[in-house]
Amino acid sequence: AQSVTQLDSHVSVSEGTPVLLRCNYSSSYSPSLFWYVQHPNKGLQLLLKYTSAATLVKGINGFEAEFKKSETSFHLTKPSAHMSDAAEYFCVVSDRTRGSQGNLIFGKGTKLSVKP
Amino acid sequence: EAEVAQSPRYKITEKSQAVAFWCDPISGHATLYWYRQILGQGPELLVQFQDESVVDDSQLPKDRFSAERLKGVDSTLKIQPAELGDSAMYLCASSLGHRLAGGNEQFFGPGTRLTVL
Repeated sequence: AQSVTQLDSHVSVSEGTPVLLRCNYSSSYSPSLFWYVQHPNKGLQLLLKYTSAATLVKGINGFEAEFKKSETSFHLTKPSAHMSDAAEYFCVVSDRTRGSQGNLIFGKGTKLSVKP
Repeated sequence: EAEVAQSPRYKITEKSQAVAFWCDPISGHATLYWYRQILGQGPELLVQFQDESVVDDSQLPKDRFSAERLKGVDSTLKIQPAELGDSAMYLCASSLGHRLAGGNEQFFGPGTRLTVL
């Protein structure tokens, strides 16, 4: 069975400092991995996705994530936080095996706060 | 820019009443998903449609929840009767719908926030 664990429920950083949101996954097969962001009262927006191409994935708004199979991790980073980055972030795994429905399995989320 | 539309955005109801949510996916998207997001948690899949057919409703509480996508376009999710524990955000998403859908991006609507009193 596939699952994701987001190691921090809340991360607080100062504007201009680096962001690190941690995610570990569990999958019996080669996974597809995603990071989604959810701003208050808005729908989920895809930040980036990994589907077995390059292990370092670049996304929108300066975010990137690195797939590390040996560590079963897919941490999200950004060099310099902006106030507008304050939101809830979800790490997501999808089963890509043949015959599956490719369902998305979400982590519990990490709330990112950005202090001025 | 094409978006997934949902209505209503907010719904307050009393327990034992019936409620219905509507979703209009992005044009041309064959796959439609309904998720439930309880406060403080990630979304959980309730039901997945491929065109007009249900392909996964294993997590849908079928004694009170129903979903349909009669013409393979828009969809309705119904709860009857509503219970206090149904208070949550109900999200609709759509994707192009290739066979191995895991690699395809799901586009989410703004959600319907349900409060059951």
